[in-house]
Amino acid sequence: DAGVIQSPRHEVTEMGQEVTLRCKPISGHDYLFWYRQTMMRGLELLIYFNNNVPIDDSGMPEDRFSAKMPNASFSTLKIQPSEPRDSAVYFCASSLVYWGSSTDTQYFGPGTRLTVL
Amino acid sequence: GQQLNQSPQSMFIQEGEDVSMNCTSSSIFNTWLWYKQDPGEGPVLLIALYKAGELTSNGRLTAQFGITRKDSFLNISASIPSDVGIYFCAGTLYYGGATNKLIFGTGTLLAVQP
Repeated sequence: DAGVIQSPRHEVTEMGQEVTLRCKPISGHDYLFWYRQTMMRGLELLIYFNNNVPIDDSGMPEDRFSAKMPNASFSTLKIQPSEPRDSAVYFCASSLVYWGSSTDTQYFGPGTRLTVL
Repeated sequence: GQQLNQSPQSMFIQEGEDVSMNCTSSSIFNTWLWYKQDPGEGPVLLIALYKAGELTSNGRLTAQFGITRKDSFLNISASIPSDVGIYFCAGTLYYGGATNKLIFGTGTLLAVQP
């Protein structure tokens, strides 16, 4: 398997612009996660999906952030409008849960480094 | 929110030395995971622990799930330059059903001098 795929790897945009980050999870995985990593706050969970349904979006910082998972192989994280404080590395991760046991192994993509000027 | 305290924050060692880092929490965790992150990359899973007291090895790496379920440690033996990176602990809290929501530690930066 190719692993979790994210695009773009780098994004530079100006304040106020819309930004869309994309993720393709590992085939067959039921869970998809979006994280944000900054020096100040470390790794923060923004939102996660199970079987394409958003389960917990309590980590989404503001209404400017939205995430969708239209199908099992694709998810987007959108920021509109973007602000300089949104500059960070955004990671997507996926995992598989077996019924009756807990497998919490999340596999991370390479991340998207976002810079908002 | 739940917190994972990871220590030390950074380590600067000589090649060949052994390394130890740990994570503690005031809460009980169901799972402990250890990840390594190389510069410009996403975290990569090193070791996963699912039972209290479990001791697991992966090559030169050894990790243990604390008996109290509130802590875990990671040891690296005979460090080599490619061990350089940031190591994160992570854990999941069990809410009566399977959950995959991970809480991450603050990370330990490891530098290895040849």
